[in-house]
Amino acid sequence: DQQVKQNSPSLSVQEGRISILNCDYTNSMFDYFLWYKKYPAEGPTFLISISSIKDKNEDGRFTVFLNKSAKHLSLHIVPSQPGDSAVYFCAASARGSQGNLIFGKGTKLSVKP
Amino acid sequence: NAGVTQTPKFRILKIGQSMTLQCAQDMNHNYMYWYRQDPGMGLKLIYYSVGAGITDKGEVPNGYNVSRSTTEDFPLRLELAAPSQTSVYFCASTSGGGYNEQFFGPGTRLTVL
Repeated sequence: DQQVKQNSPSLSVQEGRISILNCDYTNSMFDYFLWYKKYPAEGPTFLISISSIKDKNEDGRFTVFLNKSAKHLSLHIVPSQPGDSAVYFCAASARGSQGNLIFGKGTKLSVKP
Repeated sequence: NAGVTQTPKFRILKIGQSMTLQCAQDMNHNYMYWYRQDPGMGLKLIYYSVGAGITDKGEVPNGYNVSRSTTEDFPLRLELAAPSQTSVYFCASTSGGGYNEQFFGPGTRLTVL
Protein backbone atom coordinates (compact mmCIF):
# COMPACT_ATOMS: atom_id res chain seq x y z
CA ASP A 1 0.00 0.00 0.00
CA GLN A 2 1.33 3.41 -0.95
CA GLN A 3 2.31 5.50 2.04
CA VAL A 4 3.03 8.60 -0.06
CA LYS A 5 0.61 9.44 -2.83
CA GLN A 6 0.81 11.95 -5.62
CA ASN A 7 -2.55 11.59 -7.31
CA SER A 8 -1.90 13.88 -10.26
CA PRO A 9 0.46 12.26 -12.78
CA SER A 10 0.76 15.50 -14.72
CA LEU A 11 0.13 19.23 -14.48
CA SER A 12 0.29 21.91 -17.16
CA VAL A 13 0.68 25.59 -16.24
CA GLN A 14 1.27 28.81 -18.12
CA GLU A 15 4.54 30.62 -17.58
CA GLY A 16 4.26 33.25 -14.83
CA ARG A 17 1.31 31.55 -13.13
CA ILE A 18 1.33 29.49 -9.94
CA SER A 19 2.02 25.75 -9.97
CA ILE A 20 0.56 23.73 -7.10
CA LEU A 21 1.69 20.14 -6.66
CA ASN A 22 -0.03 17.99 -4.07
CA CYS A 23 1.01 15.05 -1.94
CA ASP A 24 -0.85 12.93 0.62
CA TYR A 25 0.57 10.49 3.13
CA THR A 26 -0.86 7.81 5.36
CA ASN A 27 1.87 7.08 7.89
CA SER A 28 1.49 9.27 10.98
CA MET A 29 5.11 8.47 11.94
CA PHE A 30 6.44 10.59 9.08
CA ASP A 31 8.04 13.71 10.49
CA TYR A 32 10.17 15.06 7.65
CA PHE A 33 9.03 15.77 4.11
CA LEU A 34 11.01 16.68 1.02
CA TRP A 35 10.40 17.65 -2.57
CA TYR A 36 12.77 16.55 -5.30
CA LYS A 37 12.90 17.66 -8.90
CA LYS A 38 14.02 15.29 -11.64
CA TYR A 39 14.96 15.94 -15.23
CA PRO A 40 15.12 13.04 -17.73
CA ALA A 41 18.29 10.94 -17.54
CA GLU A 42 19.43 12.71 -14.37
CA GLY A 43 19.24 11.93 -10.68
CA PRO A 44 16.72 13.69 -8.44
CA THR A 45 17.84 17.03 -7.04
CA PHE A 46 16.68 18.36 -3.70
CA LEU A 47 14.31 21.30 -3.83
CA ILE A 48 12.85 22.07 -0.41
CA SER A 49 11.92 20.30 2.82
CA ILE A 50 9.75 20.76 5.88
CA SER A 51 9.70 19.13 9.29
CA SER A 52 6.50 18.23 11.05
CA ILE A 53 6.93 20.99 13.63
CA LYS A 54 6.34 23.59 10.92
CA ASP A 55 3.42 24.24 8.61
CA LYS A 56 5.24 26.30 6.00
CA ASN A 57 8.71 26.64 4.57
CA GLU A 58 9.74 29.08 1.87
CA ASP A 59 12.78 29.28 -0.39
CA GLY A 60 12.64 31.84 -3.15
CA ARG A 61 9.90 30.90 -5.62
CA PHE A 62 9.20 27.62 -3.80
CA THR A 63 6.94 27.22 -0.77
CA VAL A 64 5.91 23.98 0.89
CA PHE A 65 2.82 23.80 3.07
CA LEU A 66 2.14 21.00 5.53
CA ASN A 67 -1.31 20.16 6.94
CA LYS A 68 -0.68 17.44 9.51
CA SER A 69 -4.31 16.89 10.43
CA ALA A 70 -5.14 16.19 6.79
CA LYS A 71 -1.83 14.37 6.16
CA HIS A 72 -1.34 16.58 3.15
CA LEU A 73 1.44 18.73 1.78
CA SER A 74 1.71 20.92 -1.24
CA LEU A 75 4.46 22.63 -3.20
CA HIS A 76 3.77 26.07 -4.64
CA ILE A 77 5.95 27.52 -7.38
CA VAL A 78 5.43 31.21 -8.05
CA PRO A 79 6.01 32.40 -10.71
CA SER A 80 6.39 29.26 -12.79
CA GLN A 81 9.12 29.24 -15.43
CA PRO A 82 9.69 26.94 -18.43
CA GLY A 83 12.86 25.64 -16.74
CA ASP A 84 10.66 24.29 -13.93
CA SER A 85 9.31 21.66 -16.33
CA ALA A 86 10.33 18.35 -14.74
CA VAL A 87 8.99 15.49 -12.65
CA TYR A 88 8.47 16.43 -9.00
CA PHE A 89 8.66 13.78 -6.30
CA CYS A 90 7.29 14.08 -2.81
CA ALA A 91 9.20 12.03 -0.21
CA ALA A 92 8.85 11.39 3.51
CA SER A 93 10.86 9.87 6.30
CA ALA A 94 9.95 8.69 9.77
CA ARG A 95 11.81 9.35 12.99
CA GLY A 96 14.36 6.61 13.63
CA SER A 97 14.29 5.34 10.05
CA GLN A 98 17.91 6.38 9.40
CA GLY A 99 16.70 8.86 6.83
CA ASN A 100 15.11 6.21 4.63
CA LEU A 101 12.86 8.02 2.18
CA ILE A 102 9.47 6.84 0.94
CA PHE A 103 8.70 8.40 -2.43
CA GLY A 104 5.49 9.17 -4.25
CA LYS A 105 5.15 8.29 -7.93
CA GLY A 106 5.80 11.83 -9.07
CA THR A 107 3.97 14.59 -10.92
CA LYS A 108 5.18 15.75 -14.32
CA LEU A 109 4.99 19.54 -14.49
CA SER A 110 4.94 21.28 -17.87
CA VAL A 111 5.28 25.06 -17.88
CA LYS A 112 4.28 26.51 -21.21
CA PRO A 113 5.78 29.80 -22.47
CA ASN B 1 33.51 18.14 -5.43
CA ALA B 2 32.20 15.54 -7.85
CA GLY B 3 29.34 14.73 -5.45
CA VAL B 4 27.85 11.27 -5.98
CA THR B 5 29.15 9.36 -8.99
CA GLN B 6 27.79 6.14 -10.46
CA THR B 7 29.20 3.75 -13.03
CA PRO B 8 28.25 2.47 -15.51
CA LYS B 9 25.57 4.77 -16.96
CA PHE B 10 23.99 1.97 -18.99
CA ARG B 11 24.27 -1.80 -18.98
CA ILE B 12 22.51 -4.70 -20.66
CA LEU B 13 22.69 -8.06 -18.91
CA LYS B 14 21.53 -11.50 -19.87
CA ILE B 15 19.35 -13.47 -17.48
CA GLY B 16 21.53 -15.19 -14.89
CA GLN B 17 24.52 -12.88 -15.26
CA SER B 18 25.92 -10.91 -12.35
CA MET B 19 27.29 -7.41 -12.09
CA THR B 20 28.29 -4.71 -9.63
CA LEU B 21 26.97 -1.16 -9.80
CA GLN B 22 29.51 1.27 -8.45
CA CYS B 23 28.74 4.30 -6.30
CA ALA B 24 31.16 6.77 -4.77
CA GLN B 25 30.83 10.07 -2.95
CA ASP B 26 33.46 12.64 -2.01
CA MET B 27 31.46 14.59 0.56
CA ASN B 28 32.53 12.46 3.55
CA HIS B 29 28.91 11.42 4.12
CA ASN B 30 28.27 8.58 6.53
CA TYR B 31 24.87 7.60 5.18
CA MET B 32 24.49 6.04 1.74
CA TYR B 33 21.48 4.53 -0.02
CA TRP B 34 20.55 2.52 -3.08
CA TYR B 35 17.18 3.06 -4.75
CA ARG B 36 15.57 1.67 -7.84
CA GLN B 37 12.99 3.43 -10.01
CA ASP B 38 10.69 1.48 -12.27
CA PRO B 39 8.80 3.25 -15.10
CA GLY B 40 6.03 5.49 -13.81
CA MET B 41 6.88 4.72 -10.21
CA GLY B 42 8.62 6.43 -7.35
CA LEU B 43 12.00 5.40 -6.02
CA LYS B 44 12.16 2.38 -3.73
CA LEU B 45 14.92 1.73 -1.21
CA ILE B 46 17.00 -1.40 -1.78
CA TYR B 47 19.76 -1.15 0.84
CA TYR B 48 21.32 1.51 2.98
CA SER B 49 24.40 2.05 5.12
CA VAL B 50 24.96 4.32 8.12
CA GLY B 51 28.73 4.00 8.01
CA ALA B 52 31.62 1.84 6.90
CA GLY B 53 30.98 -1.79 7.78
CA ILE B 54 27.27 -1.26 8.53
CA THR B 55 24.53 -2.09 6.04
CA ASP B 56 20.84 -2.90 6.28
CA LYS B 57 17.95 -3.90 4.04
CA GLY B 58 15.43 -1.49 2.64
CA GLU B 59 12.03 -2.15 1.12
CA VAL B 60 13.12 -4.27 -1.89
CA PRO B 61 16.41 -6.07 -1.08
CA ASN B 62 15.78 -9.45 -2.73
CA GLY B 63 18.29 -10.28 -5.46
CA TYR B 64 20.83 -7.70 -4.31
CA ASN B 65 23.79 -7.45 -1.98
CA VAL B 66 25.88 -4.54 -0.74
CA SER B 67 29.09 -3.89 1.10
CA ARG B 68 30.60 -0.77 2.65
CA SER B 69 34.29 -1.14 3.31
CA THR B 70 35.06 2.59 3.07
CA THR B 71 33.14 5.81 3.73
CA GLU B 72 33.38 6.77 0.06
CA ASP B 73 32.17 3.64 -1.74
CA PHE B 74 28.92 1.69 -1.64
CA PRO B 75 28.73 -0.92 -4.42
CA LEU B 76 25.53 -2.80 -5.23
CA ARG B 77 25.86 -6.39 -6.38
CA LEU B 78 23.27 -8.14 -8.55
CA GLU B 79 23.49 -11.91 -8.49
CA LEU B 80 21.67 -14.01 -11.10
CA ALA B 81 20.04 -11.11 -12.92
CA ALA B 82 16.32 -11.41 -13.70
CA PRO B 83 14.08 -9.33 -16.03
CA SER B 84 12.34 -7.94 -12.91
CA GLN B 85 15.60 -6.15 -12.09
CA THR B 86 15.33 -4.02 -15.22
CA SER B 87 15.20 -0.55 -13.73
CA VAL B 88 17.11 2.67 -13.15
CA TYR B 89 19.29 2.53 -10.07
CA PHE B 90 20.15 5.59 -8.03
CA CYS B 91 22.71 5.93 -5.30
CA ALA B 92 22.39 8.71 -2.72
CA SER B 93 24.26 10.01 0.30
CA THR B 94 23.73 12.37 3.20
CA SER B 95 25.65 13.60 6.20
CA GLY B 96 22.98 12.68 8.74
CA GLY B 97 20.18 10.18 8.65
CA GLY B 98 17.52 12.33 10.19
CA TYR B 99 16.57 15.72 8.86
CA ASN B 100 18.96 16.13 5.97
CA GLU B 101 18.44 16.03 2.26
CA GLN B 102 19.97 13.22 0.26
CA PHE B 103 22.22 13.91 -2.71
CA PHE B 104 21.66 11.63 -5.67
CA GLY B 105 23.93 10.31 -8.38
CA PRO B 106 22.97 10.40 -12.07
CA GLY B 107 21.74 6.80 -12.11
CA THR B 108 22.51 3.53 -13.88
CA ARG B 109 20.01 2.25 -16.43
CA LEU B 110 20.02 -1.55 -16.35
CA THR B 111 18.22 -3.83 -18.78
CA VAL B 112 18.04 -7.58 -18.23
CA LEU B 113 17.12 -9.62 -21.30
